[in-house]
Amino acid sequence: GESVGLHLPTLSVQEGDNSIINCAYSNSASDYFIWYKQESGKGPQFIIDIRSNMDKRQGQRVTVLLNKTVKHLSLQIAATQPGDSAVYFCAENAGYSTLTFGKGTMLLVSP
Amino acid sequence: DAGITQSPRHKVTETGTPVTLRCHQTENHRYMYWYRQDPGHGLRLIHYSYGVKDTDKGEVSDGYSVSRSKTEDFLLTLESATSSQTSVYFCAISEQLLAGGPSGNNEQFFGPGTRLTVL
Repeated sequence: GESVGLHLPTLSVQEGDNSIINCAYSNSASDYFIWYKQESGKGPQFIIDIRSNMDKRQGQRVTVLLNKTVKHLSLQIAATQPGDSAVYFCAENAGYSTLTFGKGTMLLVSP
Repeated sequence: DAGITQSPRHKVTETGTPVTLRCHQTENHRYMYWYRQDPGHGLRLIHYSYGVKDTDKGEVSDGYSVSRSKTEDFLLTLESATSSQTSVYFCAISEQLLAGGPSGNNEQFFGPGTRLTVL
């Protein structure tokens, strides 16, 4: 069937490697950012968020970096596991009540 | 998982027919959202609700209407389905609005999705 993963940029890594997924956002007024993970056939799942008054935030095995100068966001996953294979989206909020989502990156983790 | 269900999970219908998708939550969250997801576009907001009987349009609202008669249910209606509305539809809920909320729980929880095919 049709897949949201078609036509997406893809990052392929080996199990145990560190992964870095990048996102360029569009609105310089955005002050809040979220990373989501979406596994095949499921809804997006919150991973980590960051506000614009920070440039780094760490979670469990994940780190988000924010560079407001170049409007760039990255998600780092340490010791990537096969269960991390999914599509990853960034989303931005520019002070309104809704999010604008990026198109996503597919992460493929080989054992 | 947050208590969000969507029904139906799959539907095939014909052009011109009305379709209603239901989102049901057991979290008592104030805010509810309907998104569609298409290859090459990511998630796009259709409509959202900030309380019972309070709704607003999103980015791609043409051809869709919504209703929220009680906190737990948010309905999305396609009055006359078209092939361009073939998509996967996701409902989401959140406890807070994103703008102006304190740091912390601004998370949107998503439902499992409904795959709609309009022939």
